[in-house]
Amino acid sequence: KQEVTQIPAALSVPEGENLVLNCSFTDSAIYNLQWFRQDPGKGLTSLLLIQSSQREQTSGRLNASLDKSSGRSTLYIAASQPGDSATYLCAVRNAGNMLTFGGGTRLMVKP
Amino acid sequence: DAGVIQSPRHEVTEMGQEVTLRCKPISGHNSLFWYRQTMMRGLELLIYFNNNVPIDDSGMPEDRFSAKMPNASFSTLKIQPSEPRDSAVYFCASDRGNEQYFGPGTRLTVT
Repeated sequence: KQEVTQIPAALSVPEGENLVLNCSFTDSAIYNLQWFRQDPGKGLTSLLLIQSSQREQTSGRLNASLDKSSGRSTLYIAASQPGDSATYLCAVRNAGNMLTFGGGTRLMVKP
Repeated sequence: DAGVIQSPRHEVTEMGQEVTLRCKPISGHNSLFWYRQTMMRGLELLIYFNNNVPIDDSGMPEDRFSAKMPNASFSTLKIQPSEPRDSAVYFCASDRGNEQYFGPGTRLTVT
């Protein structure tokens, strides 16, 4: 059974810092990996999707990498802003077409 | 595209009452997912449909929960009778087997 772990569970940084969020998974036979953002009281917004054959994806200040063989993904946020404060979740899709989610990292960027 | 649409956005009901949550997936998406999110258990997959057919309902907590997808543009999740421990945010999501998109959720409170 796939298990997804996100470390750290919470992170507080001053504005302007570059930061890395980590995601690890136990079964490397994944179809893709997706990073989401969730603001308090809101739904999940898809940030980046990495196919199993890809190593990374970039969108603006966000860069997600994937090392399938080691079961790891990272989400890099450059020049963090207070508006980046949210919970970030990673999810992996296996062949059964279902996503398995990590517990999330709650990020606070202080002005 | 309007995205995934869920109704109602908030529901407050008394224990023992029937609750029906509704979802309209993104047009053209052939997979639909119902999730439940709580502080204690995080995000849990309840049931997953592909081409309107339930594929995996192993996450449905008990017989009080049922879900239907009568056509490609509509799904319901019903709880009968509802209990206080069912209080949570219920999300619907859809995809075409790749990037998954979430609705805004229904916040259910059972008193």
